[in-house]
Amino acid sequence: GENVEQHPSTLSVQEGDSAVIKCTYSDSASNYFPWYKQELGKRPQLIIDIRSNVGEKKDQRIAVTLNKTAKHFSLHITETQPEDSAVYFCAASGNNRLAFGKGNQVVVIP
Amino acid sequence: KAGVTQTPRYLIKTRGQQVTLSCSPISGHRSVSWYQQTPGQGLQFLFEYFSETQRNKGNFPGRFSGRQFSNSRSEMNVSTLELGDSALYLCASSLGFEKDTQYFGPGTRLTVL
Repeated sequence: GENVEQHPSTLSVQEGDSAVIKCTYSDSASNYFPWYKQELGKRPQLIIDIRSNVGEKKDQRIAVTLNKTAKHFSLHITETQPEDSAVYFCAASGNNRLAFGKGNQVVVIP
Repeated sequence: KAGVTQTPRYLIKTRGQQVTLSCSPISGHRSVSWYQQTPGQGLQFLFEYFSETQRNKGNFPGRFSGRQFSNSRSEMNVSTLELGDSALYLCASSLGFEKDTQYFGPGTRLTVL
């Protein structure tokens, strides 16, 4: 089955700096790559997703890039704010099944 | 639209007991997926139901089972509970087609003593 890995496991950034989280996946048939944000004690919430026919997608301060040849995709957060502190999960989907990475703890230092 | 709901929100059980968790999807969604979330292991896929049929299954023992009703509501059952089953159990609903967004419920926190 699909195997998704996330790096780094923990990321600390100064407020206003950028944060980048990278994920790799194993199944070349995967065609949908969502990113979820989970704040402490809350449910995972979708923040952005990308489908395999697109290389990059942007939504305000958040962007995702996809490299299908190398089988990796990344989340970019610019101008980080304290409310960006959370655990971020990447996932890869094929055949209606989402495989998640183990999550990244992002800490934004004011 | 109302979001995904799960009941109960918290459960405390002892080893050997069994438990049933419930998930009500967003209206119109036909797919319900279940995940186990533990610290350090992230979200692990249990199974997915679509139109009352199990369509996908993860690598969990047979003690973990589920079903889906005609109104798309889903239940998950864990029999002969073990200490290691303590986790947050999340369900997510979607329309059920390729590349659909999954929307998560708040989860059921299960503690096994």
